[in-house]
Amino acid sequence: KAGVTQTPRYLIKTRGQQVTLSCSPISGHRSVSWYQQTPGQGLQFLFEYFSETQRNKGNFPGRFSGRQFSNSRSEMNVSTLELGDSALYLCASSPGLAGEPPKETQYFGPGTRLLVL
Amino acid sequence: GQNIDQPTEMTATEGAIVQINCTYQTSGFNGLFWYQQHAGEAPTFLSYNVLDGLEEKGRFSSFLSRSKGYSYLLLKELQMKDSASYLCAVRDRTSGGSYIPTFGRGTSLIVHP
Repeated sequence: KAGVTQTPRYLIKTRGQQVTLSCSPISGHRSVSWYQQTPGQGLQFLFEYFSETQRNKGNFPGRFSGRQFSNSRSEMNVSTLELGDSALYLCASSPGLAGEPPKETQYFGPGTRLLVL
Repeated sequence: GQNIDQPTEMTATEGAIVQINCTYQTSGFNGLFWYQQHAGEAPTFLSYNVLDGLEEKGRFSSFLSRSKGYSYLLLKELQMKDSASYLCAVRDRTSGGSYIPTFGRGTSLIVHP
């Protein structure tokens, strides 16, 4: 079974631009979560999507948004980029259970490394 | 909010046992996770605890005490490939019904021959 894939792997943008990152979960997985990892703040939860709906959301500004498609693929968008948005953006998928939070393993993709100049 | 503390760095010898501690404060505890992350790679899941006690999985074990807000990850028969960062994460159920995971800063484990 193919793992979680993320595109692009590396990206350079300038302040004020916007960016869209893509994540394809493991086949059959319905839950996709997004995380930001920086040396200063560590790994932080952005949001989780399940069946095309945002199910959980972390404490990030509205410039960070996402969506999930019917095939469970997900995208996240960051508008009006700031220097502090430079980070590794990770997505993780899990089978997902409706209702209760998933107890099963989350599988992380390799991440997209974003550099904002 | 949450506060998760774990040591920044630990060193150990190949073949030895090491225990990585994690303490947390949360208002709506809903599970604790341990992840391993090698430099330049994505995290990989190691363990999940939601009830008190010890969960054993091969060379790795994880313990949880909810009353003490405390967990540890125990690595036995250390191998060089165990050199990595170990992340403790606590999932919190908010008053709004959301489930939010919060990660510690990670413990960098260095295994010496």
